[in-house]
Amino acid sequence: AQKITQTQPGMFVQEKEAVTLDCTYDTSDQSYGLFWYKQPSSGEMIFLIYQGSYDEQNATEGRYSLNFQKARKSANLVISASQLGDSAMYFCAMREHMNQAGTALIFGKGTTLSVSS
Amino acid sequence: ETGVTQTPRHLVMGMTNKKSLKCEQHLGHNAMYWYKQSAKKPLELMFVYSLEERVENNSVPSRFSPECPNSSHLFLHLHTLQPEDSALYLCASSPPGQGASGELFFGEGSRLTVL
Repeated sequence: AQKITQTQPGMFVQEKEAVTLDCTYDTSDQSYGLFWYKQPSSGEMIFLIYQGSYDEQNATEGRYSLNFQKARKSANLVISASQLGDSAMYFCAMREHMNQAGTALIFGKGTTLSVSS
Repeated sequence: ETGVTQTPRHLVMGMTNKKSLKCEQHLGHNAMYWYKQSAKKPLELMFVYSLEERVENNSVPSRFSPECPNSSHLFLHLHTLQPEDSALYLCASSPPGQGASGELFFGEGSRLTVL
């Protein structure tokens, strides 16, 4: 069974500093996708970044980058130049194939990021 | 505006009540999902619909009953719930085909409290 592990319940960072949120995964699939989502206090899940298992380069989206280490089965999220608005819950997720058509995502427990001024 | 709209945003109900959560998307997506988010637990996948057919039911108790009348609407009918069912219920949709990523687009959730 696929599994996502986020070992940091909470992280604290000061504005303008970089922070790394850890994620490890377990799967026997050769082809898979990894995602990071942000959940502010409003509850909405906001897609941040995606990494495919066959992508040779680490994904980047603005201030977000994904440090993908396939052999270690890790997919850490790096946020550069943190902003107060980055304070939220962050979830790592993996795409899981359903028995029939389509896919769904399985999620880790999340990491709460607090950014201070 | 996320493109996926959930109503109501907040719901308080007694254990004997019957209520429904509604999810609507006009993004042209053909798959829709219900997730449950309880405190200190990962998001739990409840139901998956693809092309209006249920393709996954993750051992969810029968007191939760999903309905997908068309590709734009998804309901979660609730009856005789328990206090431990109190949670944030998130609806999501995804576009046709696997695409480059297969990301899910989420609504803002319905916060349910069962008394």
